[in-house]
Amino acid sequence: DAMVIQNPRYQVTQFGKPVTLSCSQTLNHNVMYWYQQKSSQAPKLLFHYYDKDFNNEADTPDNFQSRRPNTSFCFLDIRSPGLGDAAMYLCATSGLASQETQYFGPGTRLLVL
Amino acid sequence: GNSVTQMEGPVTLSEEAFLTINCTYTATGYPSLFWYVQYPGEGLQLLLKATKADDKGSNKGFEATYRKETTSFHLEKGSVQVSDSAVYFCALSPQSRGKSTFGDGTTLTVKP
Repeated sequence: DAMVIQNPRYQVTQFGKPVTLSCSQTLNHNVMYWYQQKSSQAPKLLFHYYDKDFNNEADTPDNFQSRRPNTSFCFLDIRSPGLGDAAMYLCATSGLASQETQYFGPGTRLLVL
Repeated sequence: GNSVTQMEGPVTLSEEAFLTINCTYTATGYPSLFWYVQYPGEGLQLLLKATKADDKGSNKGFEATYRKETTSFHLEKGSVQVSDSAVYFCALSPQSRGKSTFGDGTTLTVKP
């Protein structure tokens, strides 16, 4: 089945220690998104890519970076995690047209010690 | 800017009760409207969608009708099950290319 895969499902890191979360997709979608979600609140968009065109949300902290080396893979790098960065991180994909459904991965839950 | 307002939760119902979760939106033009569901420990998944006024989305016994005149997209189910316990998010995707807007989510608990 076509899907969005996130690894790992759970990630524990130490305060200030860089961490990378990964996302892959077999849907061949051009658009990929990274969201941060805390305590079943609304997902908060951090970045998205229209193909290789990177779009950063204005309020995304500089501590968060993203890479998309090819259509299938996307990475979220947190350079110096703080306690406030503990959250669920959701990757999603969609087609290029406007108003497309987003397909979400299962998420990576990040714990910062 | 665009916004989505959802009925506040949590909502607790007995099995086989009728469910309504209210959702209203503010947007220019004709956005598409979505309900996503999130089960514990999982990502969001599409429950249903509607792309134009008066469209009815339906799936797994859930329904929602796109009401342009009241800018609403209320979610309903006639008889809920314990397995419907989850967080439900109403969302819109704008007519022109742009990011989606999500409501704050409504937690539903169904008791046997």
